[in-house]
Amino acid sequence: DTEVTQTPKHLVMGMTNKKSLKCEQHMGHRAMYWYKQKAKKPPELMFVYSYEKLSINESVPSRFSPECPNSSLLNLHLHALQPEDSALYLCASSQGGQGGNTIYFGEGSWLTVV
Amino acid sequence: QQQVKQSPQSLIVQKGGISIINCAYENTAFDYFPWYQQFPGKGPALLIAIRPDVSEKKEGRFTISFNKSAKQFSLHIMDSQPGDSATYFCAATSLGDYKLSFGAGTTVTVRA
Repeated sequence: DTEVTQTPKHLVMGMTNKKSLKCEQHMGHRAMYWYKQKAKKPPELMFVYSYEKLSINESVPSRFSPECPNSSLLNLHLHALQPEDSALYLCASSQGGQGGNTIYFGEGSWLTVV
Repeated sequence: QQQVKQSPQSLIVQKGGISIINCAYENTAFDYFPWYQQFPGKGPALLIAIRPDVSEKKEGRFTISFNKSAKQFSLHIMDSQPGDSATYFCAATSLGDYKLSFGAGTTVTVRA
């Protein structure tokens, strides 16, 4: 079983809604990630937090807003999404820095924008 | 531009057979090569990983072969089982780099 926990597992939201995806890890990892995955495609990196600071933003539209409240938690705030944003959103974590780059994924949150 | 090229896109193998997935990379800075297994509706799970100082690594029925000079690596699934039916992604990265370059994925179907 994955040690990266994501909630909710499924989310349906309208284009004017505001919702959040949540992620938690208790492996002591200092790097946390958000990925987006479309059907039959590899995961695409969206954001990386390293030691609770935003380290990488892969030119993601501002309707996606990440937040890292502490080293164990990662949120993704969603607002004014488009139907094409429907996808599996994956949270992941790794030790970070020179401590190793084995990335562990959660089960994902299935997002449907209607 | 895809930094890791993976083939085949899909394969079908009979139960007990060998599944082989190949990946190639260009970036010589890559020094860590994980493989992920993903079942429908689930997140990718780390299956096995290798560093370039090792030419082969085996875990159970899964073996990675690595050819540094050719910049290629492959996953062999021995004695394939129906429960191995999944999508497999190869990936590559460098120590200290947060970005993981994925291959396009291979859907493996094991027929009973």
